[in-house]
Amino acid sequence: SYELTQPPSVSVSPGQTARITCSGDQLGNKYVSWYQQKPGQSPVVVIHQDSKRPSGTPERFSGSNSGNTATLTISGTQAIDEADYYCQAWDSNTACVFGTGTKVTVL
Amino acid sequence: EVQLVQSGAEVKKPGESLSISCKGSGYTFSTYWIGWVRQMPGKGLEWVGIIYPGDSDTGYGPSFQGHVTISVDKSISTAYLHWSSLTASDTAIYYCARRPSGGNYAPFDYWGLGTLVTVSS
Repeated sequence: SYELTQPPSVSVSPGQTARITCSGDQLGNKYVSWYQQKPGQSPVVVIHQDSKRPSGTPERFSGSNSGNTATLTISGTQAIDEADYYCQAWDSNTACVFGTGTKVTVL
Repeated sequence: EVQLVQSGAEVKKPGESLSISCKGSGYTFSTYWIGWVRQMPGKGLEWVGIIYPGDSDTGYGPSFQGHVTISVDKSISTAYLHWSSLTASDTAIYYCARRPSGGNYAPFDYWGLGTLVTVSS
């Protein structure tokens, strides 16, 4: 089955840029979404179709996807961005896969 | 307002059966996929399966095929996740989430609050 791999953790200082990678075989041929999950809460989509921001997602969140790697970038990271982040893609219309998840810590 | 309202927490014994539910409102239920996602304690998100209420087209994650059943009752805008025989490893929060139809690009755009299932002897 298809797999998506993320680094377990990313640390960033306030105001700096955090980059979270998501790796999968020929991932650039699929559309990737990114979800933010804070403790005790349901996930929320912050990026879909590789780089589109839903209404409500701050502009500091951006995404890209090429080759075997998709990247979520948080520019000017704030303390409120501290959360777990998951990438997600569709292997077929009825086959979904989530990444392993990355804990973002704002030091 | 789009809402996915999930059934309440459950405590069950190994071997027992269970169905949990997810009721959609604020949109045309039959034209959006409903997916189920598991989150074991302290762990990441795992895709359980998905159903399209319009025609009951269904797909399951490799780890869940044959262990759970997803169904839907369009008349009451409700999707279900069913176990016929629970094990301790089914202990987790289960989220339902809505996915627009139309292609392999759509994300899960609305999520329920989750149902905690605890399986213990």
